Amino acid sequence: GAGVSQTPSNKVTEKGKYVELRCDPISGHTALYWYRQSLGQGPEFLIYFQGTGAADDSGLPNDRFFAVRPEGSVSTLKIQRTERGDSAVYLCASSLTNSPGNTIYFGEGSWLTVV
Amino acid sequence: GNSVTQMEGPVTLSEEAFLTINCTYTATGYPSLFWYVQYPGEGLQLLLKATKADDKGSNKGFEATYRKETTSFHLEKGSVQVSDSAVYFCARTSGSARQLTFGSGTQLTVLP
Repeated sequence: GAGVSQTPSNKVTEKGKYVELRCDPISGHTALYWYRQSLGQGPEFLIYFQGTGAADDSGLPNDRFFAVRPEGSVSTLKIQRTERGDSAVYLCASSLTNSPGNTIYFGEGSWLTVV
Repeated sequence: GNSVTQMEGPVTLSEEAFLTINCTYTATGYPSLFWYVQYPGEGLQLLLKATKADDKGSNKGFEATYRKETTSFHLEKGSVQVSDSAVYFCARTSGSARQLTFGSGTQLTVLP
């Protein structure tokens, strides 16, 4: 597709379960970002990939959160032992390169609800 | 640290009214500044940006000027439309320029 694609769009899971959220960036974009947006708040940075490597994972809240991008395109955000506080919209974004001048394009997000 | 403070909403205006949404940022480094918009049921979209002091970003009738002396990047539009109803986010790049720090968002509702 033309934009950043995220699946699933909605996910309800039980506390303690494992969740994977997928992001398909815009074709040709080398930089990929994950953000988390809680209700009534702005997005918060989680992790940034340049190619296959996680260039900056300083925003991951704890070791239950992990993300991969094995082939430099699709990325998966993995959350282990989910907690109710993990409920949020998880946003993926991509940009052509990691140059500060490049526009960052966001997907519509994956709504995660932990019950 | 890097932070963005945004005017709290919600803001309700009549069509054709003048809009200002205030945004200030911490003066750390030389950030680029952005306004993103989130229309109902849609993802975040870049509205406009400015990369250095005194730059003016503009798009769809919206404008914002990068003011280093006041560390501000206020969003303005001279005549709002019902279709402008959305949540507006101010953002800045971090010191590494690889991530964005967002404000908490301002809900704008324009009434016909």
